Amino acid sequence: SQQGEEDPQALSIQEGENATMNCSYKTSINNLQWYRQNSGRGLVHLILIRSNEREKHSGRLRVTLDTSKKSSSLLITASRAADTASYFCATVGFYGNKLVFGAGTILRVKS
Amino acid sequence: GAVVSQHPSRVICKSGTSVKIECRSLDFQATTMFWYRQFPKQSLMLMATSNEGSKATYEQGVEKDKFLINHASLTLSTLTVTSAHPEDSSFYICSARFYRDGSNQPQHFGDGTRLSIL
Repeated sequence: SQQGEEDPQALSIQEGENATMNCSYKTSINNLQWYRQNSGRGLVHLILIRSNEREKHSGRLRVTLDTSKKSSSLLITASRAADTASYFCATVGFYGNKLVFGAGTILRVKS
Repeated sequence: GAVVSQHPSRVICKSGTSVKIECRSLDFQATTMFWYRQFPKQSLMLMATSNEGSKATYEQGVEKDKFLINHASLTLSTLTVTSAHPEDSSFYICSARFYRDGSNQPQHFGDGTRLSIL
């Protein structure tokens, strides 16, 4: 079953703008991961943030995690047309090894 | 980086046909592989967890006799959709995890298989 909710469901921005996507989950987690999916393709791992971490950076990506609110955000700075894709958060619980995916955000970056 | 190969990428076949999808880890050993199903514009739904040398663990609501999973080696897992019907049409994606990785490591995904049953 889906654990996470993501918002917005869809986001359309101009190239160069920042894109922020949010993810909420319901149960305690071991870590939270963000993945990207280009249309009709598999998923590419972006960032993993552990439950004891609050923020992580990777290039133009910044992920925050607030375990008290059971939420995470993904910020893509200086977006490019090539960033157009679906973005999913996924959580791993303490006693499981499987990913539970959120509903995803469809990002469209217009050039 | 780790590569997972999924084959075929697309299948179109008649109702009643059984279809086999392969998932291979190309440069690492994967004791655990996962099979997901994705409907258009929706998220991934975990179908089953496949462990090398043992029976797969199916998620609630997934018919194990309908979706046969075999994980005979550390680099290959297969999903067979038996007697497929139009409602089985979907995008199927596998993922694999390096055997030494715990849950604090990402999974590596294949490129998916688009299954269309006529």
